[in-house]
Amino acid sequence: DQQVKQNSPSLSVQEGRISILNCDYTNSMFDYFLWYKKYPAEGPTFLISISSIKDKNEDGRFTVFLNKSAKHLSLHIAPSQPGDSAVYFCAAISNAGNNRKLIWGLGTSLAVNP
Amino acid sequence: NAGVMQNPRHLVRRRGQEARLRCSPMKGHSHVYWYRQLPEEGLKFMVYLQKENIIDESGMPKERFSAEFPKEGPSILRIQQVVRGDSAAYFCASSPYYPGTRNTGELFFGEGSRLTVL
Repeated sequence: DQQVKQNSPSLSVQEGRISILNCDYTNSMFDYFLWYKKYPAEGPTFLISISSIKDKNEDGRFTVFLNKSAKHLSLHIAPSQPGDSAVYFCAAISNAGNNRKLIWGLGTSLAVNP
Repeated sequence: NAGVMQNPRHLVRRRGQEARLRCSPMKGHSHVYWYRQLPEEGLKFMVYLQKENIIDESGMPKERFSAEFPKEGPSILRIQQVVRGDSAAYFCASSPYYPGTRNTGELFFGEGSRLTVL
């Protein structure tokens, strides 16, 4: 049962354009969401996060939008650069229970073409 | 370098042998997570440990896999009698906080250990 879904395995964008990566979730108890970026042969690195009490968080070229009613969040990268080419993982934390572990999506591979 | 250190980076084993993967968390971090990434798949949670305690091992296969995080020294992920299906990248992550406290679930990852079973 995939509670965090990234339905697009891959995305290709032209340099300078906006990249939009989507993530859907099923568990209404999730209260914190994170995006991680992963280059080949490296571990994931934290990119940006958002609390469920907010609907937008911005950090430089990266903006995350959260639509709680739709159980949907998206990561916008604008403008996209070739160095942004990587796999992007969406992850969520539930506020239920004592064990608040991250639940991960399967990732979206972004290719930014020069 | 104060990052999460994993070793070995690459490990080759024959079927039936044992694999031991080590993870030294960032300084001051007492929460350690192990993840596995199979080819063409996303990250799969395996186990969450604090010093000397296994908190959640719901992602660990029931047999052949074990993990520990002793009071002194690195965390160890041990795979006994490896099979070809164990070939994967194993990532360790650490955090200074219990997940979800301080308004962050951020984990700091190591570069991974790539296990190849021949």
